[in-house]
Amino acid sequence: AQSVSQHNHHVILSEAASLELGCNYSYGGTVNLFWYVQYPGQHLQLLLKYFSGDPLVKGIKGFEAEFIKSKFSFNLRKPSVQWSDTAEYFCAVRDSGYALNFGKGTSLLVTP
Amino acid sequence: SQTIHQWPATLVQPVGSPLSLECTVEGTSNPNLYWYRQAAGRGLQLLFYSVGIGQISSEVPQNLSASRPQDRQFILSSKKLLLSDSGFYLCAWSNQAGRRSGNTICFGEGSWLTVV
Repeated sequence: AQSVSQHNHHVILSEAASLELGCNYSYGGTVNLFWYVQYPGQHLQLLLKYFSGDPLVKGIKGFEAEFIKSKFSFNLRKPSVQWSDTAEYFCAVRDSGYALNFGKGTSLLVTP
Repeated sequence: SQTIHQWPATLVQPVGSPLSLECTVEGTSNPNLYWYRQAAGRGLQLLFYSVGIGQISSEVPQNLSASRPQDRQFILSSKKLLLSDSGFYLCAWSNQAGRRSGNTICFGEGSWLTVV
């Protein structure tokens, strides 16, 4: 079965630091890849997605992610984080099925 | 625009009592519907999905069941709750455009269930 691994469960950064959250998946075929974010007290919302084309995907709020097929990875990046980026981040993969398979999430805390 | 409503937002139920969480989607037709559970440190676990009325696929055997009595209504149920059923339940939908279209899944605001 498809599995999604997020390398870091808890990340603490100072404002203006750079962010990279790792995500790897196990499926070898064609995949759709997603990053979702859940801000405190809010529902899950889509940050960015990849399904074809340019492997470098830009999302909302300055986030981007790069799909590296050979590494089965879809890492999320942001050059300079803000306090408002404090949230939980989920990587998700859709393989041949309908639903998304999620990683366990990474909790990001940005300190002033 | 499409919206998804899920209720109740919070629920405290005794062990052995029944459960019914409801979810409706507006502004679209024939959506795919999903129930996920979010548990601390375990991410989001897909429980059920449905591609049409009366069609339910179960991903994880458990004490829960799902039904889709109408096109845009998805219900999560249990006849007898267990302590382990406590968690945050999320309803979600996506359109039927097909997997290769990259259609996204949109989530409701979730329901906190505490079984005591």
